Amino acid sequence: KAGVTQTPRYLIKTRGQQVTLSCSPISGHRSVSWYQQTPGQGLQFLFEYFSETQRNKGNFPGRFSGRQFSNSRSEMNVSTLELGDSALYLCASRSGVMDTEAFFGQGTRLTVV
Amino acid sequence: GDSVTQMEGPVTLSEEAFLTINCTYTATGYPSLFWYVQYPGEGLQLLLKATKADDKGSNKGFEATYRKETTSFHLEKGSVQVSDSAVYFCALMRETGGFKTIFGAGTRLFVKA
Repeated sequence: KAGVTQTPRYLIKTRGQQVTLSCSPISGHRSVSWYQQTPGQGLQFLFEYFSETQRNKGNFPGRFSGRQFSNSRSEMNVSTLELGDSALYLCASRSGVMDTEAFFGQGTRLTVV
Repeated sequence: GDSVTQMEGPVTLSEEAFLTINCTYTATGYPSLFWYVQYPGEGLQLLLKATKADDKGSNKGFEATYRKETTSFHLEKGSVQVSDSAVYFCALMRETGGFKTIFGAGTRLFVKA
């Protein structure tokens, strides 16, 4: 079956703009988590959604938001982009609440200029 | 709070050498422990996992044992190959109202032919 799909793969935006990234989890998976990966901070947890509800949130400013749709697809939005938001954004899906195995997508590389 | 500490890289080995990447964690309760691998330009792939003390995870010749007494989960492989060159992440996951995975900083491995 298809893996986790993230679109777009690459994105270049200007400071002050906003961006929306998309993640389609593995079919049947209901949990989606988002992570930011940067050389300086490593992998940091952004948020987790399960059945359209945010269950957990990392320590990021309110400019970072997300949502999950009834088909489990998820989007994350970053408003008022800053240069420091340049990163690889990874999405991971799990089949259920108690399942510990997460499957990652290839990520979206966001560059803010 | 929860944290994961892994040895700094890069680690450079010759083909067929023995590999150890150290990982220790701090967490309350009983987290699940993971090793993920990231190849250039890719997302993360789950390499192995252990969900309780004394469990041994293994995959593709890699092994790690969940040691609660030393809060460690060291990754080992008896004979590395050039194709093992990648970045390796140690991680823990604990249920805290939702699931959040905490990653170590990553260790880059170079294997020379």
